[in-house]
Amino acid sequence: DQQVKQNSPSLSVQEGRISILNCDYTNSMFDYFLWYKKYPAEGPTFLISISSIKDKNEDGRFTVFLNKSAKHLSLHIVPSQPGDSAVYFCAARVSGSARQLTFGSGTQLTVLP
Amino acid sequence: DAGVIQSPRHEVTEMGQEVTLRCKPISGHNSLFWYRQTMMRGLELLIYFNNNVPIDDSGMPEDRFSAKMPNASFSTLKIQPSEPRDSAVYFCASSRSGNSYNEQFFGPGTRLTVL
Repeated sequence: DQQVKQNSPSLSVQEGRISILNCDYTNSMFDYFLWYKKYPAEGPTFLISISSIKDKNEDGRFTVFLNKSAKHLSLHIVPSQPGDSAVYFCAARVSGSARQLTFGSGTQLTVLP
Repeated sequence: DAGVIQSPRHEVTEMGQEVTLRCKPISGHNSLFWYRQTMMRGLELLIYFNNNVPIDDSGMPEDRFSAKMPNASFSTLKIQPSEPRDSAVYFCASSRSGNSYNEQFFGPGTRLTVL
């Protein structure tokens, strides 16, 4: 039973437009959420995170929104650039577990020039 | 600074053979994680160590899988005997430990193909 779900395996967006990647979770004990980005033949790299006490965190072109009541988070990238083309993983941490992360299955984002 | 180092980058083996994957964490990091990535299940945590001690191995799929961390700078993930369904990309990650979340740094992965 996947506790973190990314239901869209792929997403294509035109350069300059907004990319919205979605993630749903089922475990109400998750208190910290992260997005990782992965290029081919490389390991995932940390992108942005949000604590459950917040509903928004912004870092440059990247914004993560958290809707706790819906158990849903999203990553917005605006404007999208071709270099953003990668697999994006959503991850979550259980409260009190400082290290363990549960990852979603990933969404392949393609930004078209 | 060198990141997490994994070897080999690619491994092709035949069913029934023993496979050993290696990882060198970032110096100073005392938590180490082994993940497996497949198309169907995404990134799954197999096992993690803190200060060289296995803390949670509940993600290890079967007894054919074993992991060791003999010292702070080296860990192995062994599959014996290997099966075609073990084909995946295996990632090692490390982080500093502490009461708050510390970012995990991933290695480039080992792509394993079991024929």
